[in-house]
Amino acid sequence: SQTIHQWPATLVQPVGSPLSLECTVEGTSNPNLYWYRQAAGRGLQLLFYSVGIGQISSEVPQNLSASRPQDRQFILSSKKLLLSDSGFYLCAWSPAGVRYEQFFGPGTRLTVL
Amino acid sequence: GQNIDQPTEMTATEGAIVQINCTYQTSGFNGLFWYQQHAGEAPTFLSYNVLDGLEEKGRFSSFLSRSKGYSYLLLKELQMKDSASYLCAARVGAGNNRKLIWGLGTSLAVNP
Repeated sequence: SQTIHQWPATLVQPVGSPLSLECTVEGTSNPNLYWYRQAAGRGLQLLFYSVGIGQISSEVPQNLSASRPQDRQFILSSKKLLLSDSGFYLCAWSPAGVRYEQFFGPGTRLTVL
Repeated sequence: GQNIDQPTEMTATEGAIVQINCTYQTSGFNGLFWYQQHAGEAPTFLSYNVLDGLEEKGRFSSFLSRSKGYSYLLLKELQMKDSASYLCAARVGAGNNRKLIWGLGTSLAVNP
């Protein structure tokens, strides 16, 4: 069966500090991978998605970046965090195919102070 | 633009039936998803509709009308654990440009 891991579960960072969130998927090959952010009381905002190694599409211009160094690894980074980067960050995967159902990791709750 | 609307909050009683509506205005639509999200947790998949009609899965059913841009999620025999946010998402695009457009979610409170 497939599983998706995210870490850390919670993170408190000062403004201006760097960020690195990691997501890995097990039990599948060549998945589509996604990074979402969910601010308090808001919907899911798609940040990045990837259909393969080294292929990243950005949905919203911001101070975040994403990388996919391996087939089942997706990393979200920032060089300098802003207060507005606080939120619940979710990684998701979907099989490369017609159905497109997305499966979510447990999420990382980021607070920028 | 791409837009999805669903009510912000709903309240229902344990054992009752509740219907959560979702309307969408999108281009390149090719499917409608419903997810459940408990507070502080990740969303989990509930249902998927690509053709018009009703899909039933236990206590949960989902309906789609593509011509009306309308879907609903029907929850029967409500339980306290059904208190959660319910997210409607439309799949749009094709090939590597496929993505989900998400509604803001409907927060359902089930009371005893």
